[in-house]
Amino acid sequence: NAGVTQTPKFQVLKTGQSMTLQCAQDMNHEYMSWYRQDPGMGLRLIHYSVGAGITDQGEVPNGYNVSRSTTEDFPLRLLSAAPSQTSVYFCASSKNTDTQYFGPGTRLTVL
Amino acid sequence: GDSVTQMEGPVTLSEEAFLTINCTYTATGYPSLFWYVQYPGEGLQLLLKATKADDKGSNKGFEATYRKETTSFHLEKGSVQVSDSAVYFCALKGVNTGKLIFGQGTTLQVKP
Repeated sequence: NAGVTQTPKFQVLKTGQSMTLQCAQDMNHEYMSWYRQDPGMGLRLIHYSVGAGITDQGEVPNGYNVSRSTTEDFPLRLLSAAPSQTSVYFCASSKNTDTQYFGPGTRLTVL
Repeated sequence: GDSVTQMEGPVTLSEEAFLTINCTYTATGYPSLFWYVQYPGEGLQLLLKATKADDKGSNKGFEATYRKETTSFHLEKGSVQVSDSAVYFCALKGVNTGKLIFGQGTTLQVKP
């Protein structure tokens, strides 16, 4: 099992550009989520999904879109990147919300 | 709303020293409590958890006890190693929301 994979590992964008962060899991988990990690602020939930076709907003959803067309994939889209979105992004999956399995992260810099 | 507060870091210890990282929470009802660890350059991994009052979670020599009366879940280890150097996150699973709420993280550095 590869677990949770994320691509890319690093990305630099210019303000206003759009991009998609990819996340995939091979554990057949129903629950998937996206977090951002900022210094001194822990992890904050952006969006989550409890199954294919179902998504919902977390704590900091503005500027991000998600979709869940399959159980395995949960991409995160930045519509128009802003410097405030410079962060490390983690995708996670779980059978329920107890033990979450995290990907290795994507470090995003927006200039 | 639900929240988690951890002691400020960084924490610097010598090898074989005793470790305590404090964690307190505010929540409705009786949430499940977790400690996650993040090694350099990696994602978070579950270290231990406790799902009800007075439960003790333990793993890799780390322990934490769910204290309802003090709303705390302090992480302890009797003798730390250099390989324990990492960022430690306390978290709770909200009873009403089912979502994980993380503390800000505490960086531990262990020196030989």
